[in-house]
Amino acid sequence: EADIYQTPRYLVIGTGKKITLECSQTMGHDKMYWYQQDPGMELHLIHYSYGVNSTEKGDLSSESTVSRIRTEHFPLTLESARPSHTSQYLCASSPPRPSNEKLFFGSGTQLSVL
Amino acid sequence: EDKVVQSPLSLVVHEGDTVTLNCSYEVTNFRSLLWYKQEKKAPTFLFMLTSSGIEKKSGRLSSILDKKELFSILNITATQTGDSAVYLCASPNSGNTPLVFGKGTRLSVIA
Repeated sequence: EADIYQTPRYLVIGTGKKITLECSQTMGHDKMYWYQQDPGMELHLIHYSYGVNSTEKGDLSSESTVSRIRTEHFPLTLESARPSHTSQYLCASSPPRPSNEKLFFGSGTQLSVL
Repeated sequence: EDKVVQSPLSLVVHEGDTVTLNCSYEVTNFRSLLWYKQEKKAPTFLFMLTSSGIEKKSGRLSSILDKKELFSILNITATQTGDSAVYLCASPNSGNTPLVFGKGTRLSVIA
C-alpha cells in the first residue's frame, strides 16, 4: 500500500492569497497526479507528472501550477485564490508498469476561498 | 473524447440487499477498467479488470467486464451500512495518460 500525504486537510482563505497545497509520497513512484473534485461530481485531472522536472496539464483547465523538483514531492500552487477555486483537491501516485493504472490517493485538501 | 458513464447516480437500499452498479465506457485503445470506493476523501482501489467475462471477487464485492458491450458491473451482496460510499469507475485514456473517471454512484445503505 502506497503512503501518500496531503496537507493541509482543510484550508479557508481569502480572495487574492497565494496558496500551496502539499503532496508527498514515500513509495518512490515516478507518476503523480492532481485531481479536482466538486461535490457530487467526477474527478477531473488538472496536472500530472511522469518524473522529476516533468509536468503536464490535465483535461480540466486550471489556473494552478505545479512543480516536480523531487520524486516524492508534487506541490500545487494558486498564485491568487478566487472563490471559483473552492473545491476538493486530490493528489495521487502510481507505480511503474504493469500496475501503473492503479492510482493511490491522498486524503485530499478541501479548499474554501472566501 | 474518452468517457466513462455510471448509473445510477445514487441508490438507497436496506441492509442485506444486493446491489448492482453499472459502468459503461468509450475509450480509445481500451486497456483496463478500475473500480474505486470513496467514503470520505481518498478513493480506495477495489478492482482492475482487463479481460472479458472473468469475475473478480473480494468478499461480498465482485465485478465483471464485458468488452464487447463496453460495460462493467460491480455487485455487492448482503449490503451493510459500511458499504455506504461513492463508487467510482475509471479507465485510462488512450496512450500513456491517466485515468478518466465517471461521476460515481452514491450508495446509501440504511439499517
